Amino acid sequence: QVQLQESGPGLVKPSQTLSLTCTVSGGSISSGGYYWSWIRQHPGKGLEWIGYIYYSGSTYYNPSLKSRVTISVDTSKNQFSLKLSSVTAADTAVYYCARELAGTMGFDIWGQGTMVTVSS
Amino acid sequence: EIVLTQSPATLSLSPGERATLSCRASQSVSSYLAWYQQKPGQAPRLLIYDASNRATGIPARFSGSGSGTDFTLTISSLEPEDFAVYYCQQRSNWSWTFGQGTKVEIK
Repeated sequence: QVQLQESGPGLVKPSQTLSLTCTVSGGSISSGGYYWSWIRQHPGKGLEWIGYIYYSGSTYYNPSLKSRVTISVDTSKNQFSLKLSSVTAADTAVYYCARELAGTMGFDIWGQGTMVTVSS
Repeated sequence: EIVLTQSPATLSLSPGERATLSCRASQSVSSYLAWYQQKPGQAPRLLIYDASNRATGIPARFSGSGSGTDFTLTISSLEPEDFAVYYCQQRSNWSWTFGQGTKVEIK
């Protein structure tokens, strides 16, 4: 059974870069067929898709965040990562990683989420 | 960007009642629509994919319908564990967006 687990600092200072990693277990990113995404949820608010990566390294980002986002994949470690630069308090949120089967519409597996607070 | 508008914002119902949740897209998304359930402190759970297909392990009381711009999630008979927030989500032009959510609360 595939599981996703986010990891990274829970506290980031303003103007710095937020870095998170999603470790995939029970399945291989390099087997293909899935898009691997980052999604966030501001406290008490709705969900915002950040971007995705395919095992080949192709990416697509939310246009509203594109200038600050980088998503990368390390197939040898079965991980994919998120970097969000120049953070502000508005980036305080729970960050989730999630999987979507290519050709379908729906994230079928999610990590438990990790809270990231931007504060000095 | 396609905007998804969910209604109502809050639905107050009793166990055993039928729940009907709406999601309207600002332009056609074909059948590229999913529904999720989220409980406090938990990640969202996929209920419906491609507008009308139940995800693995989802009870038959959950059903999705619609295409184009108008979609509906129906819970035929509410169980106590169904009281939660529900989100719709679309993908179009390689951009994913979510609705603002409908809270189903106990009346």
